[in-house]
Amino acid sequence: KAGVTQTPRYLIKTRGQQVTLSCSPISGHRSVSWYQQTPGQGLQFLFEYFSETQRNKGNFPGRFSGRQFSNSRSEMNVSTLELGDSALYLCASSLTPGGSHEQYFGPGTRLTVT
Amino acid sequence: SQKIEQNSEALNIQEGKTATLTCNYTNYSPAYLQWYRQDPGRGPVFLLLIRENEKEKRKERLKVTFDTTLKQSLFHITASQPADSATYLCVRTSGGSYIPTFGRGTSLIVHP
Repeated sequence: KAGVTQTPRYLIKTRGQQVTLSCSPISGHRSVSWYQQTPGQGLQFLFEYFSETQRNKGNFPGRFSGRQFSNSRSEMNVSTLELGDSALYLCASSLTPGGSHEQYFGPGTRLTVT
Repeated sequence: SQKIEQNSEALNIQEGKTATLTCNYTNYSPAYLQWYRQDPGRGPVFLLLIRENEKEKRKERLKVTFDTTLKQSLFHITASQPADSATYLCVRTSGGSYIPTFGRGTSLIVHP
């Protein structure tokens, strides 16, 4: 079974620009979560989608948004990029929402904001 | 807010020994605690999940315990190998409407 895929793998953007990251979950998984990982803060939860609905959102500003499509693929968008948004963005899929099952992580998208 | 604390210092052990990693949580017990392994530049890989009403879970060389009195989970790797060297992450989840909270991870280094 194919794993979670994320595109692009690497991205360099300038402050003020916006970016869209994509995630394809494991076939059959309807829950997709997004995380930001930085050396200073570790792994932090952004949001979780299930059946095209955002179920939960972490403590991030409104510049961070996401959506999920009917085929469970998900995108996250960051508008008005700041230097502090430089991070590894990880997507994870799971059979069900809410953390009762294991999550399968993608390789991540490394975003650098200059 | 719910917190997860893991030892920030790296754990250095000799090959063949048992590695024990600690995860402490605050406030109420999470419904689930999960352990993941992460190698540099890669996404975390799931290892074990333990539920609040379970004391212990095993999988091959891995064992996790959940002590709601101590508010602590211990993760053991027996007969450790250099290939076990990685960062190990603990995460608390509570089902339903939840915010998964990850610990900062503990780096394990197994010396041959």
